[in-house]
Amino acid sequence: RKEVEQDPGPFNVPEGATVAFNCTYSNSASQSFFWYRQDCRKEPKLLMSVYSSGNEDGRFTAQLNRASQYISLLIRDSKLSDSATYLCVVNKAYSGGGADGLTFGKGTHLIIQP
Amino acid sequence: EPEVTQTPSHQVTQMGQEVILRCVPISNHLYFYWYRQILGQKVEFLVSFYNNEISEKSEIFDDQFSVERPDGSNFTLKIRSTKLEDSAMYFCASGGFWNTEAFFGQGTRLTVV
Repeated sequence: RKEVEQDPGPFNVPEGATVAFNCTYSNSASQSFFWYRQDCRKEPKLLMSVYSSGNEDGRFTAQLNRASQYISLLIRDSKLSDSATYLCVVNKAYSGGGADGLTFGKGTHLIIQP
Repeated sequence: EPEVTQTPSHQVTQMGQEVILRCVPISNHLYFYWYRQILGQKVEFLVSFYNNEISEKSEIFDDQFSVERPDGSNFTLKIRSTKLEDSAMYFCASGGFWNTEAFFGQGTRLTVV
């Protein structure tokens, strides 16, 4: 099983629609979870952290299911500017030596159509 | 808003040459990282740095790679003898606490010819 797995898409969605992405991770000891957004040839930008209780930020809702090792992102009322690649990102368990790196999924490509 | 800055934005080098990629992390951050992204592929972790030493490194980060924090603000990645397959976008990132999100610079596109 890949460390972080996502459906690469592309997801072609009409403006105003709701779209959901899923992600699975293999390391059950993972501690922190994030969604990043990456525009073409740009750096990844943090979209939101993902908490066990679920969290919402405007039109974006993230959910974490630790038992199933599954993370989701829901985008409501999608806008043209939401077109990007969405990266599922997992931080490995703390090893005691300091900072561990983030593990990225390959990303899900979203295209919002007018 | 504080940000991570990287220089240069684009570097072209000949195979076998040494390159140094430079980064200025966010000033109060303690954890520093280098990632790379080969065109069309996923972002890959290279190395993390904390308390003036490497915390973790990936299999990609072999003896050809080194990192340094020469002063209180800069964080550099050196590739000693570049290979064609080192061509990629290299991202520097920093974070305030362990196990939290990291903030990325705009990247340096390295092209090895």
